[in-house]
Amino acid sequence: QSALTQPASVSGSPGQSITISCTGTSSDVGSYNLVSWYQQHPGKAPKLMIYEVSRRPSGVSNRFSGSKSGNTASLTISGLQAEDEADYYCCSYAGSSTLVFGGGTKLTFL
Amino acid sequence: EVQLVESGGGLVQPGRSLRLSCAASGFTFDDYAMHWVRQAPGKGLEWVSGISWNSGTIVYADSVKGRFTMSRDNARNSLFLQMNSLRAEDTALYFCAKDNGGITVASLDYWGQGTLVTVSS
Repeated sequence: QSALTQPASVSGSPGQSITISCTGTSSDVGSYNLVSWYQQHPGKAPKLMIYEVSRRPSGVSNRFSGSKSGNTASLTISGLQAEDEADYYCCSYAGSSTLVFGGGTKLTFL
Repeated sequence: EVQLVESGGGLVQPGRSLRLSCAASGFTFDDYAMHWVRQAPGKGLEWVSGISWNSGTIVYADSVKGRFTMSRDNARNSLFLQMNSLRAEDTALYFCAKDNGGITVASLDYWGQGTLVTVSS
């Protein structure tokens, strides 16, 4: 049950696009299309942004998109807006009904 | 409106026990798997435990296995986490979260606001 690997921080400017990577193994990310992404603002509960690798829940902006290649999943945010500044976590199904989270990525504006 | 409200956190000495509860409303509780996820102060999210819709499958992170017990009462729309032999490293904000399937599908679509557990002498 090792945590998925995310960059500690990424930065961007309003209007730009950024991509956050999430690297796991063939036992989790690589084996299942059950990767989700969560946004967390300080002092708040996490919010589901992407599930099943690339699906968006109702109400989530289409500026958020997800993808996966091999053992690495990615979250892309296009047209960065001020409210996107937050921590982002990936999560993967890891077999036998268990989950594993990434270490989290802090998105800051330049 | 879906609501998840955790309770039961507090300050506890190392080695002692604590029982967390999560009251669910606004959805058909017994249709969905549920999870406990924790977040140590200033740290990231850590999955703790998960339970299927009918309690047929209950699983734990290695860090809590043998010490924590997760359960649910579908008649009372409630989720529980019995935490024994608590350690300083269990100090965290504990969230309950709803999965989007009857079994774990790694899609936690609703979260509570969390209950803080502090383990210290």
